[in-house]
Amino acid sequence: GQNIDQPTEMTATEGAIVQINCTYQTSGFNGLFWYQQHAGEAPTFLSYNVLDGLEEKGRFSSFLSRSKGYSYLLLKELQMKDSASYLCAVRSPSGGSYIPTFGRGTSLIVHP
Amino acid sequence: GAVVSQHPSRVICKSGTSVKIECRSLDFQATTMFWYRQFPKKSLMLMATSNEGSKATYEQGVEKDKFLINHASLTLSTLTVTSAHPEDSSFYICSARDLGQGLDNEQFFGPGTRLTVL
Repeated sequence: GQNIDQPTEMTATEGAIVQINCTYQTSGFNGLFWYQQHAGEAPTFLSYNVLDGLEEKGRFSSFLSRSKGYSYLLLKELQMKDSASYLCAVRSPSGGSYIPTFGRGTSLIVHP
Repeated sequence: GAVVSQHPSRVICKSGTSVKIECRSLDFQATTMFWYRQFPKKSLMLMATSNEGSKATYEQGVEKDKFLINHASLTLSTLTVTSAHPEDSSFYICSARDLGQGLDNEQFFGPGTRLTVL
């Protein structure tokens, strides 16, 4: 089966740095995604990791360790608009379909 | 990035009626589209995978006779919630994958449809 775990809620201060962790146990692995979702809106793509290491994209970075089944999303220089839910999704070659399974999401609240 | 649209964005209906939701890929062809349901403060739950020109593949626990999926063209998939009940009220989101870019690509999500069944 697939199991993806991430914290339910986190709070941080504007201008600070926050790290959102994601651990997973899946049948096979074919990439990990991070999405941002504002309330009432569809998820938007943030990052994709398939190899170990850190991928940096502006204020956002994502890290992956396949041996540990672990990833994190790092947000720097937090802005109020970063308040959203952050979804970790793992893709596995289940049945050949390569469909990502989503975690419950981490609700990030950024306060002044 | 690629654009996926959904229509309608919001619908309110009476219990027992049917509701059709459209999902379109606007600037790419999607042989596969996905339908998700999301309850408040919950994760996206995959309902079914919609394949162009063939029957949809439903996830365990999803009633295929209640959630009818049609993928008639490479740019359009529809989800019909038949005989809707209040418990079907949810946020329905579709996504599409541009398989022309291979497997190592992202899914593009539509803006979602908020269904409220009275």
